[in-house]
Amino acid sequence: ETGVTQTPRHLVMGMTNKKSLKCEQHLGHNAMYWYKQSAKKPLELMFVYNFKEQTENNSVPSRFSPECPNSSHLFLHLHTLQPEDSALYLCASSQDRGELFFGEGSRLTVL
Amino acid sequence: KNEVEQSPQNLTAQEGEFITINCSYSVGISALHWLQQHPGGGIVSLFMLSSGKKKHGRLIATINIQEKHSSLHITASHPRDSAVYICAVPMYSGGGADGLTFGKGTHLIIQP
Repeated sequence: ETGVTQTPRHLVMGMTNKKSLKCEQHLGHNAMYWYKQSAKKPLELMFVYNFKEQTENNSVPSRFSPECPNSSHLFLHLHTLQPEDSALYLCASSQDRGELFFGEGSRLTVL
Repeated sequence: KNEVEQSPQNLTAQEGEFITINCSYSVGISALHWLQQHPGGGIVSLFMLSSGKKKHGRLIATINIQEKHSSLHITASHPRDSAVYICAVPMYSGGGADGLTFGKGTHLIIQP
């Protein structure tokens, strides 16, 4: 138990669907992140939020839309995805720029 | 921008063996991260270090800032150590965990 909870753990969606991934951290951290891990590729940073403000958008397509309503919750809204977006999506949190704490990930399959 | 190289990419060893995984990077950094990823996908942070050596149980991490190189060692390896081990460093000099670049990982299998 890392203190970071992601739901759902598995998601299958069609290209026309709209779904959301949810992340909640119970560690009192002030920074939260979305990472993408595709098969046989290194982890890629997607979005960074510090104190609920987005500070990084690593050239992510607009079909991925993050939302951070407070410093404990982070969402990734998905719409009109492509099959190549199938991947493991990992949420993490940290205090300032310190050690990262990851969730278990949400494995997404786009049909 | 930092480049990270890990070696080996794959490693199979017998239970009890001493394991070493290496990580090299190209740009000076404030701290380096070692992470462990089990087959289910979840990632656990093992170490965050900026100098010298850290030890946690059977795991030891070392870093040489001048040579831009870090090693992760596992003593008395056990099948439950089987996982992917990932090295991560800030993308840019002076950066922190808010902008990491990750190695491709070392896939370790410990056979009984």
